[in-house]
Amino acid sequence: AQSVTQLGSHVSVSEGALVLLRCNYSSSVPPYLFWYVQYPNQGLQLLLKYTSAATLVKGINGFEAEFKKSETSFHLTKPSAHMSDAAEYFCAVGISGGSYIPTFGRGTSLIVHP
Amino acid sequence: NAGVTQTPKFQVLKTGQSMTLQCAQDMNHEYMSWYRQDPGMGLRLIHYSVGAGITDQGEVPNGYNVSRSTTEDFPLRLLSAAPSQTSVYFCASSLTGGGVYEQYFGPGTRLTVT
Repeated sequence: AQSVTQLGSHVSVSEGALVLLRCNYSSSVPPYLFWYVQYPNQGLQLLLKYTSAATLVKGINGFEAEFKKSETSFHLTKPSAHMSDAAEYFCAVGISGGSYIPTFGRGTSLIVHP
Repeated sequence: NAGVTQTPKFQVLKTGQSMTLQCAQDMNHEYMSWYRQDPGMGLRLIHYSVGAGITDQGEVPNGYNVSRSTTEDFPLRLLSAAPSQTSVYFCASSLTGGGVYEQYFGPGTRLTVT
């Protein structure tokens, strides 16, 4: 079984500041990890995914995430926030050999102030 | 490719009415699923399918039915709408085959039950 926890339902940053969205997972086997972004009134789209290759994963729009097994974390970062980054972000975990169903976190709303 | 399409985009129902939310994908994905999204609750899995003729329940299946007669289509039926089913509904699809793959989401259906 797997689970995922996103710390903080809302994160507020100033434009140009570092973005850090936290995700911790629980899995008994090596996980697949994903970050999705949801812009207002749209469906979710993939930002990046970890599938046991490099531990530092680069995604679209300047985002990246680092898989840390010892901390069971997969935090999402971006060096400099832009107003267009304001959105809902979801972390998801899945496990190989199980069902095809990923487990989604509850989401973190990123607010970017001018 | 159109990807994952959903109809309608908006719907208002009266309590007790029934309706079908349509979902179609043109990527030949075996796995399809339905989620509902409510504020503070993230995405909750309603039903899913791993191929034509195969469906199973997710986390919140009560009040919903599904069927999968073709690879492309996965409609969600509300049998007798209730105000608690007011939500945004997303359909998703993905590859299958021993791993956990990127989910492709539709744009969503916003349903209000009065």
